[in-house]
This record gives sequence, structure tokens and C-alpha cells, in this order.
Amino acid sequence: SQQGEEDPQALSIQEGENATMNCSYKTSINNLQWYRQNSGRGLVHLILIRSNEREKHSGRLRVTLDTSKKSSSLLITASRAADTASYFCATDESGTYKYIFGTGTRLKVLA
Amino acid sequence: GAGVSQTPSNKVTEKGKYVELRCDPISGHTALYWYRQSLGQGPEFLIYFQGTGAADDSGLPNDRFFAVRPEGSVSTLKIQRTERGDSAVYLCASSILAGGSYEQYFGPGTRLTVT
Repeated sequence: SQQGEEDPQALSIQEGENATMNCSYKTSINNLQWYRQNSGRGLVHLILIRSNEREKHSGRLRVTLDTSKKSSSLLITASRAADTASYFCATDESGTYKYIFGTGTRLKVLA
Repeated sequence: GAGVSQTPSNKVTEKGKYVELRCDPISGHTALYWYRQSLGQGPEFLIYFQGTGAADDSGLPNDRFFAVRPEGSVSTLKIQRTERGDSAVYLCASSILAGGSYEQYFGPGTRLTVT
């Protein structure tokens, strides 16, 4: 199945800087979710934004959604070394409960 | 409570053999998902269950792959006549999918290596 696109593929920043990663998808959706993955194993849910929302905050995370452009962005403010991980967006394909994950952004935060 | 568990954590098998991968979801979660993830890629959807039935199996790559969830809890992903291209990490996730709650809780995965 087709995956969404994320960019950049990799991002390296200094601790304390902000990190922005983007996600584009192909179909209409009910919601979009962001996940973090450490060490290539289980993923952890970060935040969910619904199709009728434009922006959402959770701690140091800020997510935006533009359904007209079929895109979303995740901003991590004041990054920490512990934020080093891969970040994926996931969308429910055409409003079903079948979730399609993006290709991911590998974030490296340098101490 | 306990999270999603998967067994085994690692499985090495020879080409042509049959394997079963098990997933124990979070108690009370009606939805269960299987994904496959190759190195450097995002999780690829395989199948998801609502209760005992497969609600969408469109991601299963071919008829060598099959999954069951007979009692609406534990699920088993079965792969027949394994091929080297089946090598990947197989991830399981569960979700409530009710009351506006759609987040998925992932297990640690099973790393399958076909030699």
C-alpha cells in the first residue's frame, strides 16, 4: 500500500533548538496521528489531530493540519537529546480505520 | 495495566518453513492491527481486526499470509512457505476505536529473519 511522504528524511539539530517535520498524505481523512519510534521497535503515540482541527498542542509538541493541502507538520520545541528518534505520521485511509504510515523523519538531537 | 506483548521477540527460520507470530493486546481493546516494517521504512499495514473478524485484510501481500483472532483477544499471524523477502519486524498494535479514541498501542515487535 502507498505510504505517506515525510520530509525531511533526516534532521540533525542542537539541543535546545526547535525541530520541524512535515507529512503529506493522499486521501481524505478523519484524523492524523504522530508517533515516535526508538531503536526500530515499538512505536509510541504522541498526538492526534482531527480533520476539523487546524492546530493542537501537547507539552513541547505542536501539530498543524492543512486538509486542503493534505499536509501536517510536527514541531518539537526546545529539543532534548532524548527526543532523538524516528517520527512517523499515520492517517486513516479515506476515513476508515486502516492507518497508513509515512516514511518517517529520523531526528538526531546533539547534546 | 500490561501493554501489548508479542512473542517471540526474534524468530529465525529457513526459507520454505511455516511460522506463527503471536500478539497479546491490551485487555478491552477491540481493535488489533498487524504491520510489517523493513529497515528504514515506516510500518506497512497488513490487516486489522474488530473483535474476532478481519475488518480489512487488504495489506496482506499474498495468500501465504493469514491472521486469526478467534476469541477477540490474542491474534496469531501465520506465514506459510516463508521467503527471504518476508524478513522484517512484525508489529502488532491494539486500539479502543471507540468514543473518539483512535490511538494505537504498539508491542515491541517480532524480528523475523528468513535464511
